[in-house]
Amino acid sequence: GAVVSQHPSWVICKSGTSVKIECRSLDFQATTMFWYRQFPKQSLMLMATSNEGSKATYEQGVEKDKFLINHASLTLSTLTVTSAHPEDSSFYICSAPDRAYEQYFGPGTRLTVT
Amino acid sequence: GQNIDQPTEMTATEGAIVQINCTYQTSGFNGLFWYQQHAGEAPTFLSYNVLDGLEEKGRFSSFLSRSKGYSYLLLKELQMKDSASYLCAVSSTGGFKTIFGAGTRLFVKA
Repeated sequence: GAVVSQHPSWVICKSGTSVKIECRSLDFQATTMFWYRQFPKQSLMLMATSNEGSKATYEQGVEKDKFLINHASLTLSTLTVTSAHPEDSSFYICSAPDRAYEQYFGPGTRLTVT
Repeated sequence: GQNIDQPTEMTATEGAIVQINCTYQTSGFNGLFWYQQHAGEAPTFLSYNVLDGLEEKGRFSSFLSRSKGYSYLLLKELQMKDSASYLCAVSSTGGFKTIFGAGTRLFVKA
C-alpha cells in the first residue's frame, strides 16, 4: 500500500514558539492532504484540507492564522503551529487519499508544549 | 452537515464475535470506512464500503445500508490484540474529505 511519512514523530517546544510538521506521500502524488488533531481518548478531528498550489480549507473553529498550512508540492504538506501554547499539545496526524479514495495516514506527530 | 454515532466502549471475550455499530447522517456520501487504532498510533485501514451489503476480509467483515445510514463492523474469533479503538468514518462527495466518529474502544478479555 501507499506510504505517508510525518516528521518529526514527536516534538517538545516551549510556549510561544512555532513548530513545523511535515507530511510526505512517499510513493504517490497527493493534490489533497488532510490534517487531523487527536486529543487523548478522543477521535480524530479534521482541522483542514491542504490543497496543492492553493490555499488550505479550514474547518469551523480552527484558526487559520495559528495553524499555517502549506502544500508546496504534490508530495509535501506542512503544518506550522504558531505561538504554541500548552493547550495545543496533541497528536497531529496527516492523511492523503489515493485515486481509489482510500486514505493513507501518516504515523502521527506528538506535540508537547511546555 | 455530518453526524456519526457509535458506542463508546464494548467488552468481549477472546474467541467470541463482536459487532460494532455505526449510524451516520451526511449531506453527500462517498463511502464508509472502518479503521483500527491502537493507543498512541495512527489509524490503520480495515474496510471500505460504498455499496450496500457485506464485505468480508478474513476475521473482519463490514456491512453497509445506505438507505438506513447504518454500518457495522463484525470481528470474529476475537484475539487479545484486537483490543483497540475502532473508528467509523464517512467520506463525502467532492473532495475525499473524511469525517470520523468518536470511536469505539473494544476491550477483549481472556
